[in-house]
Amino acid sequence: AQKITQTQPGMFVQEKEAVTLDCTYDTSDQSYGLFWYKQPSSGEMIFLIYQGSYDQQNATEGRYSLNFQKARKSANLVISASQLGDSAMYFCAMRSSGGYQKVTFGTGTKLQVIP
Amino acid sequence: SAVISQKPSRDICQRGTSLTIQCQVDSQVTMMFWYRQQPGQSLTLIATANQGSEATYESGFVIDKFPISRPNLTFSTLTVSNMSPEDSSIYLCSVQGRIPYTDTQYFGPGTRLTVL
Repeated sequence: AQKITQTQPGMFVQEKEAVTLDCTYDTSDQSYGLFWYKQPSSGEMIFLIYQGSYDQQNATEGRYSLNFQKARKSANLVISASQLGDSAMYFCAMRSSGGYQKVTFGTGTKLQVIP
Repeated sequence: SAVISQKPSRDICQRGTSLTIQCQVDSQVTMMFWYRQQPGQSLTLIATANQGSEATYESGFVIDKFPISRPNLTFSTLTVSNMSPEDSSIYLCSVQGRIPYTDTQYFGPGTRLTVL
Protein backbone atom coordinates (compact mmCIF):
# COMPACT_ATOMS: atom_id res chain seq x y z
CA ALA A 1 0.00 0.00 0.00
CA GLN A 2 1.15 3.50 -0.69
CA LYS A 3 0.75 6.47 1.60
CA ILE A 4 1.30 10.20 1.29
CA THR A 5 1.88 12.38 4.36
CA GLN A 6 1.61 16.14 4.46
CA THR A 7 2.31 17.31 8.01
CA GLN A 8 1.59 21.01 7.53
CA PRO A 9 -2.14 21.68 7.60
CA GLY A 10 -1.52 25.40 7.09
CA MET A 11 1.34 27.68 6.11
CA PHE A 12 1.85 31.42 5.85
CA VAL A 13 4.37 33.12 3.59
CA GLN A 14 5.16 36.74 2.87
CA GLU A 15 4.62 37.87 -0.68
CA LYS A 16 7.78 37.54 -2.83
CA GLU A 17 9.35 35.09 -0.38
CA ALA A 18 9.98 31.40 -1.08
CA VAL A 19 8.08 28.64 0.71
CA THR A 20 8.54 24.89 1.03
CA LEU A 21 5.60 22.54 1.40
CA ASP A 22 6.51 19.16 2.84
CA CYS A 23 5.53 15.78 1.50
CA THR A 24 6.74 12.33 2.49
CA TYR A 25 5.62 9.09 0.96
CA ASP A 26 5.74 5.41 1.62
CA THR A 27 5.81 2.73 -1.01
CA SER A 28 7.52 -0.55 -1.67
CA ASP A 29 7.45 -0.03 -5.42
CA GLN A 30 10.65 0.79 -7.30
CA SER A 31 8.88 2.75 -10.02
CA TYR A 32 6.49 5.51 -9.08
CA GLY A 33 5.51 9.07 -9.88
CA LEU A 34 5.00 12.04 -7.58
CA PHE A 35 2.71 14.97 -8.31
CA TRP A 36 1.74 18.29 -6.82
CA TYR A 37 -1.63 19.89 -7.44
CA LYS A 38 -3.01 23.29 -6.49
CA GLN A 39 -6.65 23.73 -5.52
CA PRO A 40 -7.91 27.32 -5.28
CA SER A 41 -11.15 28.11 -3.49
CA SER A 42 -12.98 27.56 -6.79
CA GLY A 43 -12.39 23.83 -6.34
CA GLU A 44 -10.56 22.96 -9.52
CA MET A 45 -7.41 20.82 -9.28
CA ILE A 46 -4.51 22.35 -11.16
CA PHE A 47 -1.52 20.16 -12.02
CA LEU A 48 1.75 21.85 -11.05
CA ILE A 49 4.67 19.47 -11.35
CA TYR A 50 5.65 15.81 -11.78
CA GLN A 51 8.68 13.82 -10.65
CA GLY A 52 9.41 10.25 -11.73
CA SER A 53 11.22 7.99 -9.31
CA TYR A 54 14.00 7.34 -11.82
CA ASP A 55 14.45 10.95 -12.85
CA GLN A 56 18.00 12.05 -12.13
CA GLN A 57 17.22 15.71 -11.74
CA ASN A 58 14.66 17.53 -9.64
CA ALA A 59 11.66 18.70 -11.64
CA THR A 60 11.11 22.40 -12.21
CA GLU A 61 8.20 24.28 -13.76
CA GLY A 62 8.55 28.04 -13.67
CA ARG A 63 8.37 29.16 -10.03
CA TYR A 64 7.71 25.59 -8.85
CA SER A 65 10.43 23.08 -8.12
CA LEU A 66 10.28 19.68 -6.52
CA ASN A 67 12.98 18.83 -3.99
CA PHE A 68 13.12 15.06 -4.47
CA GLN A 69 15.10 13.09 -1.89
CA LYS A 70 14.57 9.47 -2.76
CA ALA A 71 16.42 7.95 0.20
CA ARG A 72 14.34 10.02 2.61
CA LYS A 73 11.17 9.39 0.58
CA SER A 74 10.38 13.05 0.46
CA ALA A 75 9.10 15.22 -2.38
CA ASN A 76 8.81 18.77 -1.12
CA LEU A 77 7.37 21.53 -3.28
CA VAL A 78 9.26 24.81 -3.36
CA ILE A 79 7.45 27.91 -4.57
CA SER A 80 9.74 30.83 -5.27
CA ALA A 81 8.74 34.49 -5.24
CA SER A 82 5.27 33.83 -3.77
CA GLN A 83 2.34 35.74 -5.21
CA LEU A 84 -1.07 36.49 -3.71
CA GLY A 85 -2.58 34.16 -6.29
CA ASP A 86 -0.61 31.27 -4.81
CA SER A 87 -2.98 31.20 -1.83
CA ALA A 88 -4.68 27.82 -2.13
CA MET A 89 -4.68 24.21 -0.97
CA TYR A 90 -1.75 22.16 -2.21
CA PHE A 91 -1.93 18.40 -2.53
CA CYS A 92 0.93 15.97 -2.92
CA ALA A 93 0.05 12.74 -4.74
CA MET A 94 1.68 9.53 -5.82
CA ARG A 95 1.09 6.82 -8.37
CA SER A 96 3.14 3.67 -8.15
CA SER A 97 4.30 1.17 -10.76
CA GLY A 98 3.85 3.63 -13.59
CA GLY A 99 1.16 3.22 -16.19
CA TYR A 100 -2.51 3.51 -15.44
CA GLN A 101 -2.46 3.06 -11.71
CA LYS A 102 -4.47 4.62 -8.93
CA VAL A 103 -3.26 7.96 -7.60
CA THR A 104 -3.14 8.46 -3.82
CA PHE A 105 -3.46 11.97 -2.42
CA GLY A 106 -2.15 13.52 0.77
CA THR A 107 -4.34 15.53 3.12
CA GLY A 108 -3.18 18.85 1.73
CA THR A 109 -1.55 22.06 2.98
CA LYS A 110 -3.38 25.36 2.98
CA LEU A 111 -1.01 28.11 1.90
CA GLN A 112 -1.81 31.73 2.58
CA VAL A 113 0.32 34.45 1.04
CA ILE A 114 0.46 37.64 3.07
CA PRO A 115 0.88 41.00 1.29
CA SER B 1 -2.92 19.27 -21.57
CA ALA B 2 -6.46 18.10 -22.29
CA VAL B 3 -9.37 20.50 -21.88
CA ILE B 4 -11.92 18.92 -19.56
CA SER B 5 -15.39 20.26 -18.87
CA GLN B 6 -17.96 19.16 -16.33
CA LYS B 7 -21.67 19.81 -16.12
CA PRO B 8 -23.21 21.03 -13.93
CA SER B 9 -20.62 23.15 -12.17
CA ARG B 10 -22.75 23.16 -9.04
CA ASP B 11 -26.15 22.03 -7.89
CA ILE B 12 -28.36 21.97 -4.83
CA CYS B 13 -30.50 18.84 -4.58
CA GLN B 14 -33.10 17.35 -2.28
CA ARG B 15 -32.39 14.15 -0.41
CA GLY B 16 -33.63 11.03 -2.13
CA THR B 17 -33.11 12.40 -5.63
CA SER B 18 -30.36 11.59 -8.15
CA LEU B 19 -27.95 13.79 -10.09
CA THR B 20 -25.96 12.91 -13.19
CA ILE B 21 -22.65 14.69 -13.73
CA GLN B 22 -21.13 14.82 -17.19
CA CYS B 23 -17.44 14.93 -18.06
CA GLN B 24 -16.34 15.86 -21.57
CA VAL B 25 -12.75 15.87 -22.86
CA ASP B 26 -11.59 17.66 -26.01
CA SER B 27 -9.47 14.74 -27.15
CA GLN B 28 -9.45 10.98 -26.83
CA VAL B 29 -8.07 9.68 -23.54
CA THR B 30 -7.39 6.18 -22.37
CA MET B 31 -8.30 6.49 -18.70
CA MET B 32 -11.06 8.46 -16.99
CA PHE B 33 -11.56 8.59 -13.24
CA TRP B 34 -14.14 9.95 -10.82
CA TYR B 35 -13.11 11.39 -7.45
CA ARG B 36 -15.04 12.70 -4.48
CA GLN B 37 -13.80 15.44 -2.17
CA GLN B 38 -15.87 15.86 0.95
CA PRO B 39 -15.74 19.25 2.71
CA GLY B 40 -12.29 19.95 4.13
CA GLN B 41 -10.97 16.57 3.00
CA SER B 42 -8.61 15.20 0.42
CA LEU B 43 -9.61 13.43 -2.78
CA THR B 44 -10.92 9.90 -2.75
CA LEU B 45 -11.14 7.80 -5.89
CA ILE B 46 -14.65 6.51 -6.53
CA ALA B 47 -14.03 4.48 -9.66
CA THR B 48 -12.22 4.12 -12.94
CA ALA B 49 -14.54 4.59 -15.91
CA ASN B 50 -13.81 1.93 -18.53
CA GLN B 51 -14.82 2.50 -22.12
CA GLY B 52 -17.34 -0.05 -23.25
CA SER B 53 -17.41 -2.01 -20.00
CA GLU B 54 -18.41 -1.70 -16.37
CA ALA B 55 -16.51 0.74 -14.20
CA THR B 56 -14.00 -0.48 -11.62
CA TYR B 57 -15.06 0.68 -8.17
CA GLU B 58 -12.87 1.34 -5.14
CA SER B 59 -13.58 -0.14 -1.77
CA GLY B 60 -16.56 1.55 -0.16
CA PHE B 61 -18.20 2.60 -3.42
CA VAL B 62 -20.85 0.56 -5.22
CA ILE B 63 -22.44 0.70 -8.62
CA ASP B 64 -25.98 1.06 -7.29
CA LYS B 65 -25.05 4.29 -5.54
CA PHE B 66 -22.62 5.66 -8.16
CA PRO B 67 -23.48 4.27 -11.59
CA ILE B 68 -20.95 5.33 -14.21
CA SER B 69 -21.08 5.29 -17.98
CA ARG B 70 -18.35 5.76 -20.54
CA PRO B 71 -19.71 5.31 -24.04
CA ASN B 72 -16.59 6.56 -25.85
CA LEU B 73 -13.04 7.85 -25.34
CA THR B 74 -14.04 11.46 -24.65
CA PHE B 75 -17.14 11.30 -22.43
CA SER B 76 -18.26 9.86 -19.10
CA THR B 77 -21.07 10.33 -16.63
CA LEU B 78 -21.32 9.77 -12.89
CA THR B 79 -24.71 9.53 -11.22
CA VAL B 80 -25.10 10.09 -7.51
CA SER B 81 -28.22 8.13 -6.61
CA ASN B 82 -30.67 8.42 -3.74
CA MET B 83 -28.72 11.32 -2.32
CA SER B 84 -28.31 12.17 1.34
CA PRO B 85 -26.60 15.19 2.96
CA GLU B 86 -23.47 13.04 3.37
CA ASP B 87 -23.11 13.09 -0.43
CA SER B 88 -22.47 16.83 -0.35
CA SER B 89 -19.02 17.05 -1.93
CA ILE B 90 -17.05 18.22 -4.90
CA TYR B 91 -17.04 15.55 -7.60
CA LEU B 92 -14.08 15.65 -9.95
CA CYS B 93 -13.45 13.93 -13.23
CA SER B 94 -9.85 13.28 -14.22
CA VAL B 95 -8.18 11.87 -17.31
CA GLN B 96 -4.87 10.24 -18.08
CA GLY B 97 -3.14 8.57 -20.95
CA ARG B 98 -3.84 10.93 -23.75
CA ILE B 99 -2.78 9.99 -27.19
CA PRO B 100 0.22 10.16 -26.87
CA TYR B 101 0.60 8.74 -23.37
CA THR B 102 1.20 10.98 -20.38
CA ASP B 103 2.00 10.13 -16.76
CA THR B 104 -0.12 12.94 -15.42
CA GLN B 105 -3.76 12.96 -14.39
CA TYR B 106 -5.54 16.16 -15.35
CA PHE B 107 -8.72 17.25 -13.63
CA GLY B 108 -11.92 18.87 -14.70
CA PRO B 109 -13.24 21.96 -12.90
CA GLY B 110 -15.38 19.87 -10.54
CA THR B 111 -19.06 19.75 -9.65
CA ARG B 112 -19.96 21.20 -6.28
CA LEU B 113 -22.97 19.29 -4.93
CA THR B 114 -25.04 20.28 -1.92
CA VAL B 115 -27.74 17.91 -0.68
CA LEU B 116 -30.41 19.31 1.60
